[in-house]
Amino acid sequence: KAGVTQTPRYLIKTRGQQVTLSCSPISGHRSVSWYQQTPGQGLQFLFEYFSETQRNKGNFPGRFSGRQFSNSRSEMNVSTLELGDSALYLCASSLAVTHNEQFFGPGTRLTVL
Amino acid sequence: AQSVSQHNHHVILSEAASLELGCNYSYGGTVNLFWYVQYPGQHLQLLLKYFSGDPLVKGIKGFEAEFIKSKFSFNLRKPSVQWSDTAEYFCAVNRNDMRFGAGTRLTVKP
Repeated sequence: KAGVTQTPRYLIKTRGQQVTLSCSPISGHRSVSWYQQTPGQGLQFLFEYFSETQRNKGNFPGRFSGRQFSNSRSEMNVSTLELGDSALYLCASSLAVTHNEQFFGPGTRLTVL
Repeated sequence: AQSVSQHNHHVILSEAASLELGCNYSYGGTVNLFWYVQYPGQHLQLLLKYFSGDPLVKGIKGFEAEFIKSKFSFNLRKPSVQWSDTAEYFCAVNRNDMRFGAGTRLTVKP
């Protein structure tokens, strides 16, 4: 079974730009969660989607948004990028809601210059 | 605020030493508990999980963890570490959503 895939793997953007990251969950998984990973901060929860609905949201500004499609693929968007948005963005999928084990993708490394 | 705390930021051990990494959480009620590991250059992967039942859970690669409800703790242990255990370890707690600790970097010296 193919794992969680994320595209692109690396991105370089400048301040003020916007970016869209994509995540394809494991086949059959309907829940997708997004995290921001930075050194010393660990993984910060962004949001979780289940059946195209945002189920939970972490403490991030409205510049961070996401969506999920009917095939469970998910995208997250960050608008008006700031230097502090540089991070590894991780996507995780699970069969149902997050009470289940989450399977992580390799992440998208975003650098904001 | 509800949180997950990992006490050690960086642990350095020699091979064959015993390991215990601390994890405490501040959520009340029923929670599900996880330990994930991130080896250098690899994805996060699950080491072990606790949902209910026996509070001592065994995971992959000889790791185990004990859930102590009264202490809100879920510490990770391994009796004898190997150089290949060098990685970053994350404790996670799920109640309504998944929250992770800041991670503990483990370096095992050969």
